[in-house]
Amino acid sequence: DTAVSQTPKYLVTQMGNDKSIKCEQNLGHDTMYWYKQDSKKFLKIMFSYNNKELIINETVPNRFSPKSPDKAHLNLHINSLELGDSAVYFCASSPLWGQAFFGQGTRLTVV
Amino acid sequence: EDKVVQSPLSLVVHEGDTVTLNCSYEVTNFRSLLWYKQEKKAPTFLFMLTSSGIEKKSGRLSSILDKKELSSILNITATQTGDSAIYLCAAHNTGNQFYFGTGTSLTVIP
Repeated sequence: DTAVSQTPKYLVTQMGNDKSIKCEQNLGHDTMYWYKQDSKKFLKIMFSYNNKELIINETVPNRFSPKSPDKAHLNLHINSLELGDSAVYFCASSPLWGQAFFGQGTRLTVV
Repeated sequence: EDKVVQSPLSLVVHEGDTVTLNCSYEVTNFRSLLWYKQEKKAPTFLFMLTSSGIEKKSGRLSSILDKKELSSILNITATQTGDSAIYLCAAHNTGNQFYFGTGTSLTVIP
């Protein structure tokens, strides 16, 4: 059983399109996250969501929006995609005390 | 601003060498320091450190936290080609946020 799963694994799309990445965790964790990993491998936190409290990294453009239908899901919606959005996006979850568990990543390529 | 800095950025060693990776942090309401290994896909957990001076060990890997110096090191002895990866350090705060460093890319040559 996959603990944190995200889909799709790969996403190639044109500039200007809107796309979503889905994430689900079956660990019963309280907090879920979205990270962006650029070509230099830096993992930058974008959002965290805990009991309906959303913490947003202020540097994230408002074209990015997280949506959490329930505690086990945190989807990422991106509007008007730009070339610079190309990266690997990781979903993660954690309990209130302990390590973060990562999904396998979604490689987004904007052409 | 919360930040985590790792050094060196990259390292190339020969099999059998011992390496030390460094991590320093400035994070408000610090709670713990974590190390992850990332090969081709998702980061995988190595260690979580909460107390200063207590070494955690797993096989050839070990790590220790120095809260006074706001730093941690990850040691790998007798390196193998399978140790080639990016090693990520993360500082965890009481708000349950994880702040990652830039990573150290380790390449072990046979």
